This record gives sequence, structure tokens and C-alpha cells, in this order.
Amino acid sequence: GAGVSQTPSNKVTEKGKYVELRCDPISGHTALYWYRQSLGQGPEFLIYFQGTGAADDSGLPNDRFFAVRPEGSVSTLKIQRTERGDSAVYLCASSTQGGDTEAFFGQGTRLTVV
Amino acid sequence: SQQGEEDPQALSIQEGENATMNCSYKTSINNLQWYRQNSGRGLVHLILIRSNEREKHSGRLRVTLDTSKKSSSLLITASRAADTASYFCATDDGTYKYIFGTGTRLKVLA
Repeated sequence: GAGVSQTPSNKVTEKGKYVELRCDPISGHTALYWYRQSLGQGPEFLIYFQGTGAADDSGLPNDRFFAVRPEGSVSTLKIQRTERGDSAVYLCASSTQGGDTEAFFGQGTRLTVV
Repeated sequence: SQQGEEDPQALSIQEGENATMNCSYKTSINNLQWYRQNSGRGLVHLILIRSNEREKHSGRLRVTLDTSKKSSSLLITASRAADTASYFCATDDGTYKYIFGTGTRLKVLA
């Protein structure tokens, strides 16, 4: 596709459930990022992939959060035992190489944990 | 964690006026980028300025960078109602990830 695609656009889940959020980056972009944004705040860094490997996962809040990018393209953010505090918009971005280049963002997945 | 802090948090101006927002950050950086966000969803890249640059222009946008003060400013000239959005700065400290500030909410009144 022309841009970064995130699915689903909205997800409502019950506390304690497991969720997966998907990100399709721009074709050819080797760098992929996940961010989380709460209402009225800036995006908070979660994890950065360069190719298939997680180059920096220092932003993941705890071990309930995990992300994969097995073939260096599509990425999935996985959240186990969801809590109400996990409710936020989860944003994915990709760039040609990371850091010194423009990042293109998807429209995000709004996760609501009830 | 947030690296940058935008100032002001909110700004309301009349159409045609200029809007200036500032970003301060804490650590040394390789580059700084400005993004716009409408309605709390996807962010749109506006401009990237590298640490060895002092000023960049793109259309009605002017960005300055002062690395000695660890600050940057974004100027939007001749603002339009369509410029109403939240604006964020994001820094790369050489670790190849972008760390965002807290944002400025700009409202342009027609």
C-alpha cells in the first residue's frame, strides 16, 4: 500500500484478555516503530525494529508487552492480560533506515480495555 | 519517557496571524523533527533539521535549532484554519528512535 496500515482501527477488549495489533509498514522500509499515546500526551516510544530484530525494546512497559517482526515487514504488537491502563492509541511508524530519516505513521489502533 | 517539552501547551490565534511554538529537550541530538497530528490519530511529518543546521524552511514553515540551548522553534506564517492541530517535536539522540515531546495544541480561528 501507499502508507503504513494498522489493523484494527479500534479494539475493545475485556480486562485480562490477550490482544494483537498489526502493522503493515511501507514496502522497503527497514525500520519499524511502535508508540503508545494517551489522551493529551505525546507518543511514547515502545520498541524499534531494524529488519527482523528488535534493536531497542527499552520502552516496553513490562513483560505483558511483546512485539515481533518475523520477516522484516509486518509487525505484531502483543499484549497479554490486558489492564485498563493499557487503553491508548497504539501508533506504528516506518522509515527507510531509522533515526536520521522521516518516519511515516499509520492512523493507529485505539485500544480500549473495559 | 518524554524527551522534549513544547511550549506553549495550547495556542489560539486568528487566521492570517503567525504561530510560534517552542521545543526544549534534554540530551544531545543528531536531529530534531516536527510533526502535526489531527484528531489524535496519525502523525504527519513536517520538517527534519539536523544538529549541524540552524534554520530550515518548508513552505509556510520555518524551523530553527539552537543546540547550545537545546531548543527548537516552529513558526507557521499566515496561519489557516486547516493548520488547527497538535504539533510535536521529536528528537533522535543517535539511538535511531524518535522521542516525542508533549505537544502544542494550536487552534486557528477563522
